[in-house]
Amino acid sequence: DAGVIQSPRHEVTEMGQEVTLRCKPISGHNSLFWYRQTMMRGLELLIYFNNNVPIDDSGMPEDRFSAKMPNASFSTLKIQPSEPRDSAVYFCASSPNQGTREQFFGPGTRLTVL
Amino acid sequence: DAKTTQPPSMDCAEGRAANLPCNHSTISGNEYVYWYRQIHSQGPQYIIHGLKNNETNEMASLIITEDRKSSTLILPHATLRDTAVYYCTSGNYGQNFVFGPGTRLSVLP
Repeated sequence: DAGVIQSPRHEVTEMGQEVTLRCKPISGHNSLFWYRQTMMRGLELLIYFNNNVPIDDSGMPEDRFSAKMPNASFSTLKIQPSEPRDSAVYFCASSPNQGTREQFFGPGTRLTVL
Repeated sequence: DAKTTQPPSMDCAEGRAANLPCNHSTISGNEYVYWYRQIHSQGPQYIIHGLKNNETNEMASLIITEDRKSSTLILPHATLRDTAVYYCTSGNYGQNFVFGPGTRLSVLP
């Protein structure tokens, strides 16, 4: 199994630009999570899906952030417009089911907004 | 806010057992204790979890006190590759998942 796949691994963009981060969960996993990690705030859960349906998006910082999961094998996290304070490492994780915290994390996308 | 507290850092000699403590005094009866670790520049990695009984797998052992207010993760023979930040977290179905700052374990040669 290839594990959770994220792309791109690194993204550098300018303030105001749209950024789209992508994630392919482990095949057969029902839950998908998006996290953000910074030195100041640590690892924060942004949103999670169960069976492609968003369950809790209370961690999404503001309306500039949106996430979709059109099918069981793909999810996107979009930031529009991006701001320098969005610079962070964004992790996607998947889990066999919603009731467990045994999550499998991807390698992350390091986003830098100039 | 995280419902667990951990020491910010620990050192361990290579080949010795690393014992990482975690306090979760407000944990409720149906909440599991989970441990993850994050090696520099990588995504967090699941290690082990437990509810009441002690647990062991190929990576580590988890000792949970009888009152469930604290637990200890044991790496029996630490290697340099075990240097990482170790997160203890707790929770149950449907709850938001919160990772605190964790414990930075340095395994020294």
